Amino acid sequence: NAGVTQTPKFRILKIGQSMTLQCTQDMNHNYMYWYRQDPGMGLKLIYYSVGAGITDKGEVPNGYNVSRSTTEDFPLRLELAAPSQTSVYFCATVRTGVYNEQFFGPGTRLTVL
Amino acid sequence: AQSVAQPEDQVNVAEGNPLTVKCTYSVSGNPYLFWYVQYPNRGLQFLLKYITGDNLVKGSYGFEAEFNKSQTSFHLKKPSALVSDSALYFCAVRDRPNNNAGNMLTFGGGTRLMVKP
Repeated sequence: NAGVTQTPKFRILKIGQSMTLQCTQDMNHNYMYWYRQDPGMGLKLIYYSVGAGITDKGEVPNGYNVSRSTTEDFPLRLELAAPSQTSVYFCATVRTGVYNEQFFGPGTRLTVL
Repeated sequence: AQSVAQPEDQVNVAEGNPLTVKCTYSVSGNPYLFWYVQYPNRGLQFLLKYITGDNLVKGSYGFEAEFNKSQTSFHLKKPSALVSDSALYFCAVRDRPNNNAGNMLTFGGGTRLMVKP
């Protein structure tokens, strides 16, 4: 049971490039989330999904897109990367239930130059 | 809207001394409250949660937290700090009942705990 895995671990992009951050979970959790963590700051929710085929915007969705074609995968797409998207990105999952804790992946550190 | 405040950016404590990391929250209803810990270059790990019942919640690694409804606080505590407890700690909250928003949490800005030998 690997839990939540994220790839890549690190990436450097040039301004205007695009990339997809991968997130996969093997816990059969319905809820999945993408957060970004800026230096010295807490986590901001980018997008979330309550199940396959269902996604919704979080607090800071601009510049990002997501899809959820399967329960296991929740990729985050960056189009036209900007320096403001330099951050550490975390994927998380929750077993369905209003009081269950979130399980986090190890993160992807992205730098946009 | 729900919000969380962690008033201290950093807490310094000597090994063996008790530690407290403060958290206050604001929700429209009754809260679900969580503490997470983040070690360097790692994702967040769940420590403990308050859902209902006893105001003193015990969690992983000897940590506990006290829910105080009148003060809207959920401070994290440990009777005797270890150097290995040095990490970044996040408090998080969500409203009850289910706000139909996918169990979303709001996180505080984090508090860095430094335990010195």
